[in-house]
Amino acid sequence: EADIYQTPRYLVIGTGKKITLECSQTMGHDKMYWYQQDPGMELHLIHYSYGVNSTEKGDLSSESTVSRIRTEHFPLTLESARPSHTSQYLCASSETAGGHFEQFFGPGTRLTVL
Amino acid sequence: GESVGLHLPTLSVQEGDNSIINCAYSNSASDYFIWYKQESGKGPQFIIDIRSNMDKRQGQRVTVLLNKTVKHLSLQIAATQPGDSAVYFCAENQNDYKLSFGAGTTVTVRA
Repeated sequence: EADIYQTPRYLVIGTGKKITLECSQTMGHDKMYWYQQDPGMELHLIHYSYGVNSTEKGDLSSESTVSRIRTEHFPLTLESARPSHTSQYLCASSETAGGHFEQFFGPGTRLTVL
Repeated sequence: GESVGLHLPTLSVQEGDNSIINCAYSNSASDYFIWYKQESGKGPQFIIDIRSNMDKRQGQRVTVLLNKTVKHLSLQIAATQPGDSAVYFCAENQNDYKLSFGAGTTVTVRA
């Protein structure tokens, strides 16, 4: 079982609210990722970080922002949520060891914006 | 066993049979591939990986086959069990620490 945690697990909010999805890992991994996933569909990378103070946008454009002030923490923020942001958000982490690129995933946050 | 030649979004398999899930990848420069299993309400869980210098790799009840000529990856599950019901994703890596995920296959195991 991977030691990566996401809170909240479920969130229902109204349009225009600011939200922060939390992600923490206790494995000391330097690399962390955020994915967006609609039910049963493929995962789309929206943000990633290769270390503290390093953040990059992923392949899918997103209005969210991220920060990486500590190795273990990679929160995602939406300044003004809209119904189009309704989705599942998955956080993952990995380390570069022996050329393996396995990513460990958290349980996800299912966001519904009304 | 039951198998699909091309990627299909769903696969129904009888308990105890073998199942084969197929995946086509896009980039011939990809050198590392992973299969993940995602159960309802959970994040993806690592099943098995394979590097591009290998054609086959076996794990516990699972085997991954890689055909670089046609850019095709498959996951074979032996003696499929009810606990194998999930969505399965293949992912490829191009040596930049990012994974690119394919469309998933929903496997349903019939009792």
